[in-house]
Amino acid sequence: QKEVEQDPGPLSVPEGAIVSLNCTYSNSAFQYFMWYRQYSRKGPELLMYTYSSGNKEDGRFTAQVDKSSKYISLFIRDSQPSDSATYLCAMMDDKIIFGKGTRLHILP
Amino acid sequence: EAQVTQNPRYLITVTGKKLTVTCSQNMNHEYMSWYRQDPGLGLRQIYYSMNVEVTDKGDVPEGYKVSRKEKRNFPLILESPSPNQTSLYFCASSPGHRMLEQYFGPGTRLTVT
Repeated sequence: QKEVEQDPGPLSVPEGAIVSLNCTYSNSAFQYFMWYRQYSRKGPELLMYTYSSGNKEDGRFTAQVDKSSKYISLFIRDSQPSDSATYLCAMMDDKIIFGKGTRLHILP
Repeated sequence: EAQVTQNPRYLITVTGKKLTVTCSQNMNHEYMSWYRQDPGLGLRQIYYSMNVEVTDKGDVPEGYKVSRKEKRNFPLILESPSPNQTSLYFCASSPGHRMLEQYFGPGTRLTVT
């Protein structure tokens, strides 16, 4: 089993919908969980990070971590065409591992 | 403007010809790192540096060298590039000694023929 698994998509949803992006992992030592957004031909940019389990909200974005299930999620409310990008999850203990990314298309 | 810069942005070279990709940050960050991004493999860490003169291997260090003589600069050196090093390379920096809150550069697309 790979350390971090992320569905590559693409995921297409209509504008205004709630988007759910997910990653699963196998290493229970991971303590920090991050979500990055990467636009085409750009470097990744950090959206948010969480420590251990629980939820964190920032505007239209909510990150959830369920350590018991080794499952993390990013929810995007009121999705906009400008949210169209690749979303990378990342996890860290003493090293950082990135998921392969999910391509998201928001349809106007 | 706070940023991470990389040069060159695009490079086509031949097998065995030494090259250096420069990376510089103006945010006084302690932590810097190099990644490569390949289709189907995602973003993988090559080397990282916690501070000046301190570097360590990431997941895929073979064929690469780095140095950290100044806090702001972290060049990536390919002494004898091979075609399997054709990739998109990103430099990143982060405040403190953690890999959280990384700021990524714009990327360098390298093709080795």
